[in-house]
Amino acid sequence: AQSVAQPEDQVNVAEGNPLTVKCTYSVSGNPYLFWYVQYPNRGLQFLLKYITGDNLVKGSYGFEAEFNKSQTSFHLKKPSALGSDSALYFCAVRDGSATNKLIFGTGTLLAVQP
Amino acid sequence: NAGVTQTPKFQVLKTGQSMTLQCAQDMNHEYMSWYRQDPGMGLRLIHYSVGAGITDQGEVPNGYNVSRSTTEDFPLRLLSAAPSQTSVYFCASSQRTTSYEQYFGPGTRLTVT
Repeated sequence: AQSVAQPEDQVNVAEGNPLTVKCTYSVSGNPYLFWYVQYPNRGLQFLLKYITGDNLVKGSYGFEAEFNKSQTSFHLKKPSALGSDSALYFCAVRDGSATNKLIFGTGTLLAVQP
Repeated sequence: NAGVTQTPKFQVLKTGQSMTLQCAQDMNHEYMSWYRQDPGMGLRLIHYSVGAGITDQGEVPNGYNVSRSTTEDFPLRLLSAAPSQTSVYFCASSQRTTSYEQYFGPGTRLTVT
């Protein structure tokens, strides 16, 4: 069965420092991977996706993610964190069926400190 | 475009009551889905639809019904509310092709007492 793991409940980073939010996955076949962000009391917003092609995917708000097939990882990164990046981040994988069902990780709270 | 809209934003129910959470999208998306979000559990799929007249169950469908009579609307019905259904509910839509990202509504916070 398809699954996604986000091993960190919370990541703390100082403003201006690089940040990484980790995600590992388990799928049969080729993975379709996504990152979403949720600000307080809001719905989820799409950040970026990996379908095929380059392993480094660029997305919204300066975020990027690196797809690593051998390590089955899809970590979210940003070179310099901003206070406005503080939010809840979700990794997701398509479930492998012909539909667009997503399986979400449990989320990682990113706290950017001044 | 308004995107994905949900009503109401907040709702309090007593155990045993029924209600319908509304969801609408104006992007002509074929795929729509309902998730519930609970602390420490991420988002779990309740029901989904790949087009008008077609619905199917997700991971946690018990206690919920859906229908899809039009492309735009995808209401979620709670048949007899239980405290375990206290959660935040999100509706999402996307183009049917599986490589497309989903667009989420702002959510409905439901409390069942």
